[in-house]
Amino acid sequence: GESVGLHLPTLSVQEGDNSIINCAYSNSASDYFIWYKQESGKGPQFIIDIRSNMDKRQGQRVTVLLNKTVKHLSLQIAATQPGDSAVYFCAESVNRDDKIIFGKGTRLHILP
Amino acid sequence: DSGVTQTPKHLITATGQRVTLRCSPRSGDLSVYWYQQSLDQGLQFLIQYYNGEERAKGNILERFSAQQFPDLHSELNLSSLELGDSALYFCASSVGHLYEQYFGPGTRLTVT
Repeated sequence: GESVGLHLPTLSVQEGDNSIINCAYSNSASDYFIWYKQESGKGPQFIIDIRSNMDKRQGQRVTVLLNKTVKHLSLQIAATQPGDSAVYFCAESVNRDDKIIFGKGTRLHILP
Repeated sequence: DSGVTQTPKHLITATGQRVTLRCSPRSGDLSVYWYQQSLDQGLQFLIQYYNGEERAKGNILERFSAQQFPDLHSELNLSSLELGDSALYFCASSVGHLYEQYFGPGTRLTVT
């Protein structure tokens, strides 16, 4: 069935380094993908999205890469800062009338 | 502040009871989404409304129901509550389906 998963539940990164958070999806029909950031005690916050007709999209300090061949999604955060500490979720959606499926989440821990 | 408001912030109730959670979307947003977040299940999509009509359904139990009113605010009704219903319930809104979603601060429900 449909599922969205993450390769690593916790990622520790040195402050200033780049972070890469990975996500695997199983439904080849998914056509819209989103990354969310959730800080402790807060609701998820939209970071960036990408549609299936693209393979890369850049935002401010973040880049999302989509590899449809292997059904893989990644979020790259440049020059990781202490404020980037959070749980990151990927999510997928299949066509405009379907539900949105969230992955389990990856905790990003910033080392001083 | 995302512009999405949810009330109440905390709710403690007993098993078998019924509660109503309320959400006011951002001004101008027509879509409202409800999510349940628990420690063991992660973030689960429950249901989406668009301009008063149900648009998509996720893992929503039959004991749960929702509606979106003409002024676009939404309510999530949870009945015959069980211990396992204890979770954070988030509401999110967006301009339309597959657009950036803005999450509210959540309602923490504790069933005792």
